[in-house]
Amino acid sequence: KQEVTQIPAALSVPEGENLVLNCSFTDSAIYNLQWFRQDPGKGLTSLLLIQSSQREQTSGRLNASLDKSSGRSTLYIAASQPGDSATYLCAVSGGDDKIIFGKGTRLHILP
Amino acid sequence: DTGVSQDPRHKITKRGQNVTFRCDPISEHNRLYWYRQTLGQGPEFLTYFQNEAQLEKSRLLSDRFSAERPKGSFSTLEIQRTEQGDSAMYLCASSQEQSEAFFGQGTRLTVV
Repeated sequence: KQEVTQIPAALSVPEGENLVLNCSFTDSAIYNLQWFRQDPGKGLTSLLLIQSSQREQTSGRLNASLDKSSGRSTLYIAASQPGDSATYLCAVSGGDDKIIFGKGTRLHILP
Repeated sequence: DTGVSQDPRHKITKRGQNVTFRCDPISEHNRLYWYRQTLGQGPEFLTYFQNEAQLEKSRLLSDRFSAERPKGSFSTLEIQRTEQGDSAMYLCASSQEQSEAFFGQGTRLTVV
């Protein structure tokens, strides 16, 4: 059974700092990994999708890496801004296309 | 097409009543997913569809929950005889196979 863990559960950093969010998964037989952002009381916004054959994806100040064999992914946020404050969720999809989520990291950027 | 749409956005119901939620996916997407999310937790998988076929239903779902996608387009999630423990955000997502999933804004259910 696939399990996804995100560390840390919560993080507060001053504006302008670079930061890394971590995601690990127990079954390395995944097809892709996706990072989402969720604002309080809202739905999920897709940030980055990494296919299993890829090592990383970049979008603006965001960079996600994937080490499939070790069951790990990181989301790197450069030059953090107060608007980046949100919950960040990692999700993996296997051969059955079922998407399994971690519990998320609550990020607070201090102005 | 502007994305995944869910209706209603909010629902308050009395314990014991039945409720039904609707999800309209992105039109060309053949996969449709339902999740439940409680405060401080990640989304929990409930069920998913490939076109009109329901592929799997989570053991989290009691017999009071049923989902349909009758024509392979929109989907409904019904909860019968609601309980206070059913209070949560219900999220719908759609995708093509093994591609990026897109979520709606969710339906927040409060059972009083």
